[in-house]
Amino acid sequence: NAGVTQTPKFRVLKTGQSMTLLCAQDMNHEYMYWYRQDPGMGLRLIHYSVGEGTTAKGEVPDGYNVSRLKKQNFLLGLESAAPSQTSVYFCASSYFGGAGDEQYFGPGTRLTVT
Amino acid sequence: KQEVTQIPAALSVPEGENLVLNCSFTDSAIYNLQWFRQDPGKGLTSLLLIQSSQREQTSGRLNASLDKSSGRSTLYIAASQPGDSATYLCAVKVDSNYQLIWGAGTKLIIKP
Repeated sequence: NAGVTQTPKFRVLKTGQSMTLLCAQDMNHEYMYWYRQDPGMGLRLIHYSVGEGTTAKGEVPDGYNVSRLKKQNFLLGLESAAPSQTSVYFCASSYFGGAGDEQYFGPGTRLTVT
Repeated sequence: KQEVTQIPAALSVPEGENLVLNCSFTDSAIYNLQWFRQDPGKGLTSLLLIQSSQREQTSGRLNASLDKSSGRSTLYIAASQPGDSATYLCAVKVDSNYQLIWGAGTKLIIKP
């Protein structure tokens, strides 16, 4: 049981390049989330999904797109990277999203945009 | 708009001491509050989850309390150890959506 995994662990992009971050979970969770973490700030929700084929915007969705074609995978795309997207990106999943529901996190992807 | 604050941003204490980390939030309409631990370069590990109807949760040397009326939660760590050194974050799940609102964390250093 690997839990939540993220690929890649590190990436350096030049401004304007595109990339996709992959999140996979093997816990059969319905809900998945993408967060970014910047120094001195709490995590901020980018996009989330409440089930296969569904996605929704979070607090800071601009510049990102997501897809949930399979229940176990949640992809985060940057179409045209900007230096402001330099951050650590975390994926998380949870079973049902209710009051007693815990979120389980991946190890993170450190992205630098130059 | 819900805001979550953690003070202090950093804390250094000698090994063996009992300590309290603080988390405050501005809106009492929450589903739950979670405490997480983050080790450098690693993901977040959930420590304790307190539902809005609960007052506290315990796990080993950790005890978390929740006072919705005052908008406060505390994480009590008993008999601290160097292995407890990490950043501790709290997050609240707000009504009507699935979003967690996060504090910026308290970086804890336990000195041997």
